[in-house]
Amino acid sequence: NAGVTQTPKFRILKIGQSMTLQCAQDMNHNYMYWYRQDPGMGLKLIYYSVGAGITDKGEVPNGYNVSRSTTEDFPLRLELAAPSQTSVYFCASSYRGPGNTIYFGEGSWLTVV
Amino acid sequence: TQLLEQSPQFLSIQEGENLTVYCNSSSVFSSLQWYRQEPGEGPVLLVTVVTGGEVKKLKRLTFQFGDARKDSSLHITAAQPGDTGLYLCAGDNTDKLIFGTGTRLQVFP
Repeated sequence: NAGVTQTPKFRILKIGQSMTLQCAQDMNHNYMYWYRQDPGMGLKLIYYSVGAGITDKGEVPNGYNVSRSTTEDFPLRLELAAPSQTSVYFCASSYRGPGNTIYFGEGSWLTVV
Repeated sequence: TQLLEQSPQFLSIQEGENLTVYCNSSSVFSSLQWYRQEPGEGPVLLVTVVTGGEVKKLKRLTFQFGDARKDSSLHITAAQPGDTGLYLCAGDNTDKLIFGTGTRLQVFP
């Protein structure tokens, strides 16, 4: 019953450091997404992918990069971390487009100090 | 620019009251979803509406998609403390699922 797995769950970064949030799904889903959620707010789309080798920018892509070399994995890289990137990050996947059921990971809490 | 605006942003009510949450946009969506999120967890899908004017019911929750597929509403009848949470609408915008600003509901016993 793995579904969508995100690691790490918690991380503290210093300003200027870099890190990668890992996301893996075992449901053979084509679509994968990365969102960030600030306290009490809705989710904002960072990047998404409609299949291996294809990625596109979402609403708030600046400061992030992604890759999709396999169907299963969709890592999110933060380069030169800034305090504004302190947030909860959610990875999600769906078999086809957003009209289908989207499955979310449990979230990754990131603090940049 | 937020494509999907929800209102109200916060709602505190007593158990047994009715409430409506609105989700509005100037954009047309292929479909619209409603999610509920509890602290420390990811959003959980409640319903997907696809056809303009469509109404779906899930126990005490009634969801409606606007005729023009630009807006939606969620009505809860006789709210219970277990309904407490963050309610999010999300629209299908050409391969992207865009979330609304969220409505935080607190139901007191």
